Amino acid sequence: GDSVTQMEGPVTLSEEAFLTINCTYTATGYPSLFWYVQYPGEGLQLLLKATKADDKGSNKGFEATYRKETTSFHLEKGSVQVSDSAVYFCALSGRGQGAQKLVFGQGTRLTINP
Amino acid sequence: GAGVSQSPSNKVTEKGKDVELRCDPISGHTALYWYRQSLGQGLEFLIYFQGNSAPDKSGLPSDRFSAERTGGSVSTLTIQRTQQEDSAVYLCASTREGLTNEKLFFGSGTQLSVL
Repeated sequence: GDSVTQMEGPVTLSEEAFLTINCTYTATGYPSLFWYVQYPGEGLQLLLKATKADDKGSNKGFEATYRKETTSFHLEKGSVQVSDSAVYFCALSGRGQGAQKLVFGQGTRLTINP
Repeated sequence: GAGVSQSPSNKVTEKGKDVELRCDPISGHTALYWYRQSLGQGLEFLIYFQGNSAPDKSGLPSDRFSAERTGGSVSTLTIQRTQQEDSAVYLCASTREGLTNEKLFFGSGTQLSVL
């Protein structure tokens, strides 16, 4: 079945560092890909998405590119801030019957130190 | 309301007791999801409701788990004879029609602790 594998956490960085959180997926066909973020004490919210190969999703300085050839959707940010501390989830929605639910990775906890 | 509302926010129960968790989706959202987030684990899909269609129950881990959605709005997730491994955060989410390219709106969850 469809699955998502994320970089093991936790990840701790200093402010203004470059961030990469790796995400790879297994799916039948070409799924839509998402990054969700869970800030402390808040519910999950969509950060960005990409619906077809080579699409780049971006939001709040974060970017991720849908790479069909490597089945990846790595999350990047050039200069992180303390306020980016959160848990990040990579997810996909498949095609056909799988299109109506999100399959999530295990989450990566990110802590940014000032 | 403005967002997805879940109650209670925290629930502590004894092993073997039944619990009910409630979700109020965003008004007008026809699709409703339940997920479970266990410590150190990702989000595990439990069940999906879409309008008047039969729910997708493929993620329910055992027959102790059931869910219903009354009037196409409020949903209740029931866990019978709770076990310690049921301890987790139970998340509800809704979206306007179906997922496709729409985003899910999540509630803040119910933290369930089974002693």
